[in-house]
Amino acid sequence: GAVVSQHPSWVICKSGTSVKIECRSLDFQATTMFWYRQFPKQSLMLMATSNEGSKATYEQGVEKDKFLINHASLTLSTLTVTSAHPEDSSFYICSASWVAMETQYFGPGTRLLVL
Amino acid sequence: KQEVTQIPAALSVPEGENLVLNCSFTDSAIYNLQWFRQDPGKGLTSLLLIQSSQREQTSGRLNASLDKSSGRSTLYIAASQPGDSATYLCAVRPHMGAQKLVFGQGTRLTINP
Repeated sequence: GAVVSQHPSWVICKSGTSVKIECRSLDFQATTMFWYRQFPKQSLMLMATSNEGSKATYEQGVEKDKFLINHASLTLSTLTVTSAHPEDSSFYICSASWVAMETQYFGPGTRLLVL
Repeated sequence: KQEVTQIPAALSVPEGENLVLNCSFTDSAIYNLQWFRQDPGKGLTSLLLIQSSQREQTSGRLNASLDKSSGRSTLYIAASQPGDSATYLCAVRPHMGAQKLVFGQGTRLTINP
């Protein structure tokens, strides 16, 4: 149980375009979802926390207008990278949690390459 | 502010050896601590979760210990195998109301056949 999926698993886009990444909890209802960014050989950097039905809480230094997060249902959250630039290229990982859960369950990640 | 440190950053050992990965945290008031495994280009897989009231947890060849007072946790891997090669991350949940996890930088482990 507690499976989280992400789609797509990898995406290549042109500079200036927007890219949407989906995160789904497949067998549980996620009251909270988290979005992380990971650079090569580095640890995870939390970008934002989203609770179903409310606005996401962004970490300091993360541009909320550039990384749009929507958590419209208990099983789906989306991260949209708007007007992507090469420096946005990274590995994006989401995780999901239910209020009574002791931990977060992580998706397989999405690799974004902006040309 | 809670900070988590993992030493060493990378470790390479021959197959069959027992090994220990270290994790330290600056604030001993934690809710729980978790060890994750990450394979290249993949997400995180939870290995062991230790509640603040526990001293250790075991799963197969893995044993994780927690010493809150000294701000340390270790992950012991017995009889290492090439399939254990991965990056191991520890993460602290500061308190029950804190949904965020604070991650260490990870230890990249290579088991040589």
